Amino acid sequence: GAVVSQHPSWVICKSGTSVKIECRSLDFQATTMFWYRQFPKQSLMLMATSNEGSKATYEQGVEKDKFLINHASLTLSTLTVTSAHPEDSSFYICSAIARTSGVYEQYFGPGTRLTVT
Amino acid sequence: AQSVAQPEDQVNVAEGNPLTVKCTYSVSGNPYLFWYVQYPNRGLQFLLKYITGDNLVKGSYGFEAEFNKSQTSFHLKKPSALVSDSALYFCAVRAYSGNTPLVFGKGTRLSVIA
Repeated sequence: GAVVSQHPSWVICKSGTSVKIECRSLDFQATTMFWYRQFPKQSLMLMATSNEGSKATYEQGVEKDKFLINHASLTLSTLTVTSAHPEDSSFYICSAIARTSGVYEQYFGPGTRLTVT
Repeated sequence: AQSVAQPEDQVNVAEGNPLTVKCTYSVSGNPYLFWYVQYPNRGLQFLLKYITGDNLVKGSYGFEAEFNKSQTSFHLKKPSALVSDSALYFCAVRAYSGNTPLVFGKGTRLSVIA
């Protein structure tokens, strides 16, 4: 099956700094990628939809100026958490859409654990 | 709009006994249903999916799920639970057509006791 990677797998940063998380589709091209956020012991909440070559679409309640998403190519989307604060600490998971035999399949990355101190 | 309900926060079962993790869904059009498992500090692992065809879907690690259209349910089952099955289980749904994102249930923590 299709593989999605994320880098880094975990990161610790100081409050006020910015952190960039990369999401790559390794063996397929993805015009659409999604970013999810998961708080401890909770479900995955969709943050935004990233479309190659256009602006991301953010879910209600997600600050687009804090969570900058760039989908510069068909294999790479990045999420930048700007001016991070401890409440931004979370598990961030990306996923990419591949069209297989006429069906859109969603493949997930392994996640990035962000801890803001 | 799509939604998923997992009514149980926690399911406890003795090792060797059958297990069921419940899921009901709401979606416009035909559903595309999934079960994922997540171990601590790890990403999602795909277990199984239903698109069309047989209502009983078999997946990884001996898990299966039964699609019931009239009850809009997609319960996860396993005939004999293992301690290693203890984890967080997520049901997810999206409309079959299009490239809309999966919507996840809140998750059910399964604890298998030896």
